[in-house]
Amino acid sequence: QVQLQESGPGLVKPSQTLSLTCTVSGGSISSGSYYWSWIRQPAGKGLEWIGRIYTSGSTNYNPSLKSRVTISVDTSKNQFSLKLSSVTAADTAVYYCASLTAMVPYYFDYWGQGTLVTVSS
Amino acid sequence: SYVLTQPPSVSVAPGQTARITCGGNNIGSKSVHWYQQKPGQAPVLVVYDDSDRPSGIPERFSGSNSGNTATLTISRVEAGDEADYYCQVWDSSSDHQVFGGGTKLTVL
Repeated sequence: QVQLQESGPGLVKPSQTLSLTCTVSGGSISSGSYYWSWIRQPAGKGLEWIGRIYTSGSTNYNPSLKSRVTISVDTSKNQFSLKLSSVTAADTAVYYCASLTAMVPYYFDYWGQGTLVTVSS
Repeated sequence: SYVLTQPPSVSVAPGQTARITCGGNNIGSKSVHWYQQKPGQAPVLVVYDDSDRPSGIPERFSGSNSGNTATLTISRVEAGDEADYYCQVWDSSSDHQVFGGGTKLTVL
């Protein structure tokens, strides 16, 4: 069974870049069975899909964040990462990494526990 | 972009049936997935591809999808079912994942 674990700073200053890493265990990130995704949730609000990456490096991003988001994959470490630039308080949220099935129908079957990132000076 | 609409809240007495809807334009032509999220926890997949259940999810959880509305049905509701529920689809026109706004299920 795939397990995911987010890691990274819990506090980021406004205008800086948020960086998170998701470590995958229980399976190879290169298996081709999944897209690897990031999802966030501001306190008291709903889920927002940020984007996804395939083992090939192919990416797809939420258009509302596309200009500020970069998702990358490191197959040697079985990890994928999120960078979100020029952050503001509106980017304060719990950030989840998740596995998205690589074939139709696309659904998120495994999730990390989530990590809270606060944007504040 | 594709929009999914859920009621903010649904209330039901223990032992009764809860129905949570997810509205979208011709959503019946898409595959709908449902997630349960309890406070302080990550979402958990409870129904995928409209009506299939992952292993370990009770048969009390079922789904349907037709026309402009998908429905998650929870039979014989228990106190432990109290949670937020989210629907999700793949928007093929944009190749993006879309979530509904979520519904808080309260067990009276």
